[in-house]
Amino acid sequence: EAQVTQNPRYLITVTGKKLTVTCSQNMNHEYMSWYRQDPGLGLRQIYYSMNVEVTDKGDVPEGYKVSRKEKRNFPLILESPSPNQTSLYFCASLPGWNTDTQYFGPGTRLTVL
Amino acid sequence: AQSVAQPEDQVNVAEGNPLTVKCTYSVSGNPYLFWYVQYPNRGLQFLLKYITGDNLVKGSYGFEAEFNKSQTSFHLKKPSALVSDSALYFCAVRDSAGNQFYFGTGTSLTVIP
Repeated sequence: EAQVTQNPRYLITVTGKKLTVTCSQNMNHEYMSWYRQDPGLGLRQIYYSMNVEVTDKGDVPEGYKVSRKEKRNFPLILESPSPNQTSLYFCASLPGWNTDTQYFGPGTRLTVL
Repeated sequence: AQSVAQPEDQVNVAEGNPLTVKCTYSVSGNPYLFWYVQYPNRGLQFLLKYITGDNLVKGSYGFEAEFNKSQTSFHLKKPSALVSDSALYFCAVRDSAGNQFYFGTGTSLTVIP
């Protein structure tokens, strides 16, 4: 089954404790992206990657890191999480053409205490 | 700057009545426009897109959207609403030259039995 998977689905952590949210897609998509969803703000793009070893900042990259060492994986790293990063995070992928639609993962709900 | 506006946080409609969820956009270049739906505790699902051609686009679950270049709008419509259409709807845009996606803040649709 074609899908985007994220782990963990739920995470509660404390300020300053490094964490990684994994994202994997099995559709051989070139483009992958991370979003955060906050009430009243909709989805905002954090980082995106056009292909392996190519990553770019979205609208809200501060406090996040990403890497794209393999085509299928695009982990989101929070080196020192803060409470304002409490949010619902979505990973997405698409084949690569800018007319394509995105396929979204199920989401990761992160709480930073 | 690219942006998407969904002026209504909440739309209520009676079952069987037509529904409209509004979206306006601002992009440089030609816009690629998308509608997504999010059910509770789920990721976003693609509904429809406008790339070029006919201004009336038909999508999944009986939804359609009308692209209006002069008004820079892309309103989502359905002739007869179902209770199962109750969800959160997001409009998104990607400009033809860029690699980023921009989402609106979302509109919560409630269909009243």
